[in-house]
Amino acid sequence: DAKTTQPTSMDCAEGRAANLPCNHSTISGNEYVYWYRQIHSQGPQYIIHGLKNNETNEMASLIITEDRKSSTLILPHATLRDTAVYYCIVLLAFNKFYFGSGTKLNVKP
Amino acid sequence: EAGVAQSPRYKIIEKRQSVAFWCNPISGHATLYWYQQILGQGPKLLIQFQNNGVVDDSQLPKDRFSAERLKGVDSTLKIQPAKLEDSAVYLCASRPNLLNEQFFGPGTRLTVL
Repeated sequence: DAKTTQPTSMDCAEGRAANLPCNHSTISGNEYVYWYRQIHSQGPQYIIHGLKNNETNEMASLIITEDRKSSTLILPHATLRDTAVYYCIVLLAFNKFYFGSGTKLNVKP
Repeated sequence: EAGVAQSPRYKIIEKRQSVAFWCNPISGHATLYWYQQILGQGPKLLIQFQNNGVVDDSQLPKDRFSAERLKGVDSTLKIQPAKLEDSAVYLCASRPNLLNEQFFGPGTRLTVL
């Protein structure tokens, strides 16, 4: 059972920042937050992960609230190729990855 | 670095038939996962291997599904007999250790008629 809540879908204009929220109110202290995305007909692709601090890589930034009950994935300059389903995952004990239904991000020209 | 390989990419069978999927993880990755992804849903974990041992198969329907990872490298997932509700994409993923991200293969799309 997934332990995250994400909006079903979001729209974003090309070139603008896409901010994808995730609620994980039951997260425990040693659980990581991972983000993956899945472009149509492909396997999920890793984006970023974090524990407590904000993280940034070449793809995105991850902002985790101080109480760790929610996080936001930020794509700074969305392109049409960023259209995908984005999954927020909390890494549970024994390293099980639970995928919810994710957020369908539509980047529009 | 080669990615996770899966075959076949597509398979169409009739119900009650048997089918097998193959996965070759990234070299050196100790952990291997099989997921089932039904259309419109997120991937659901079926089984997790650590080297050639099963770590978690709690979500695997053991009356019809089986999986093995001989020698701790390649893995096969088998369904026997298949049901209509088994129509899905079967994803394989591997991970170098339990501190890193998973890498997914392209998946095998199974259609059961």
